[in-house]
Amino acid sequence: EAQVTQNPRYLITVTGKKLTVTCSQNMNHEYMSWYRQDPGLGLRQIYYSMNVEVTDKGDVPEGYKVSRKEKRNFPLILESPSPNQTSLYFCASSNIPPGANVLTFGAGSRLTVL
Amino acid sequence: LAKTTQPISMDSYEGQEVNITCSHNNIATNDYITWYQQFPSQGPRFIIQGYKTKVTNEVASLFIPADRKSSTLSLPRVSLSDTAVYYCLVGGTGPGGAGNKLTFGGGTRVLVKP
Repeated sequence: EAQVTQNPRYLITVTGKKLTVTCSQNMNHEYMSWYRQDPGLGLRQIYYSMNVEVTDKGDVPEGYKVSRKEKRNFPLILESPSPNQTSLYFCASSNIPPGANVLTFGAGSRLTVL
Repeated sequence: LAKTTQPISMDSYEGQEVNITCSHNNIATNDYITWYQQFPSQGPRFIIQGYKTKVTNEVASLFIPADRKSSTLSLPRVSLSDTAVYYCLVGGTGPGGAGNKLTFGGGTRVLVKP
């Protein structure tokens, strides 16, 4: 089944404790991206990647890092999480260009930073 | 990047047709218009995509006027299960890869009542 898999689905952590949210897709998509969703703010893009070793900032990249060492994986790294990063996170992938293709989203990862 | 504006919410009743209009005044020549549906605690999923005129699939229709500065998603005969948030996304290749950075609008919360 074609899908985007995120892990963990739920996570509670404390301020400053580094964490990584993994994202993997099995559709051989070039484009991968991360979003955060907060009440009343819709989906905001954090980072995106056009292919292996090619990443770029979205609208809200502060406090996040990403890497794209393999085509199928695009982990989101929070080096020093803070409470304002408490949010619902989604990973998505597509063929390029993403605006002219269909994004496939993961099920989401709900992160709470205490 | 084409900024999109949608109504925040709308209510409807089972069996009625729901029309959601998205404004995108600065849409670029090579931009496509894509609509996504999101249920609570799930990732958005693709509904329909178009470039101009009218597109219809098994779940919705998309109407795009000649100037392409807006688009209307039409959901025929909605049921309770169509209660969700609907997002309009405008994007394409963009000059210099600008279309790869995606900006979703705030979404429209549709409530279908019995």
